[in-house]
Amino acid sequence: AQKVTQAQTEISVVEKEDVTLDCVYETRDTTYYLFWYKQPPSGELVFLIRRNSFDEQNEISGRYSWNFQKSTSSFNFTITASQVVDSAVYFCALSPTSRRQLTFGSGTQLTVLP
Amino acid sequence: DGGITQSPKYLFRKEGQNVTLSCEQNLNHDAMYWYRQDPGQGLRLIYYSQIVNDFQKGDIAEGYSVSREKKESFPLTVTSAQKNPTAFYLCASTTGGEAFFGQGTRLTVV
Repeated sequence: AQKVTQAQTEISVVEKEDVTLDCVYETRDTTYYLFWYKQPPSGELVFLIRRNSFDEQNEISGRYSWNFQKSTSSFNFTITASQVVDSAVYFCALSPTSRRQLTFGSGTQLTVLP
Repeated sequence: DGGITQSPKYLFRKEGQNVTLSCEQNLNHDAMYWYRQDPGQGLRLIYYSQIVNDFQKGDIAEGYSVSREKKESFPLTVTSAQKNPTAFYLCASTTGGEAFFGQGTRLTVV
């Protein structure tokens, strides 16, 4: 069985603040993928990143960065200098590499206030 | 452009009716999925299919049925046995890495 926990249900920040979204996962699989998706009010899920379990190198893409720590089973997502357009629900997800089945966390509603 | 198309965007169902949600993809992906999302909650897996003519139950399959007669299509039927069908339904497909999602169907029971 696998499980993804996003303990932060809602976060509000003021524009230009940095914000970190937490993700903790559980899996018995030795190899797996971790994902972050963004869901704007329109509803469609937008892919942000995929990380393979054997690659613990942190990644930065513009204002977005991800911190993967296998030792603590965490895959946190940081938005630097947040903007109002970042307001959305963000989902962390897990998929074993042996089978193509995504398990999602419950999501974090991020609100960036102007 | 390649992608996943879900239709309709909004659907209203009367009590006791079956309704079918459409999901079509032109990405040539083998695997397709149906998820249900309730307000303030994450996505829960209803059914998935790894290959044509084969599909598996997910975590909340009761009251739903699917078919996979073509690689491109994975329709979901919400039957009258589903007691609380009002939700947002998302279809996805993948080749094993990133999953691509449709824009969703919002189903409401009236």
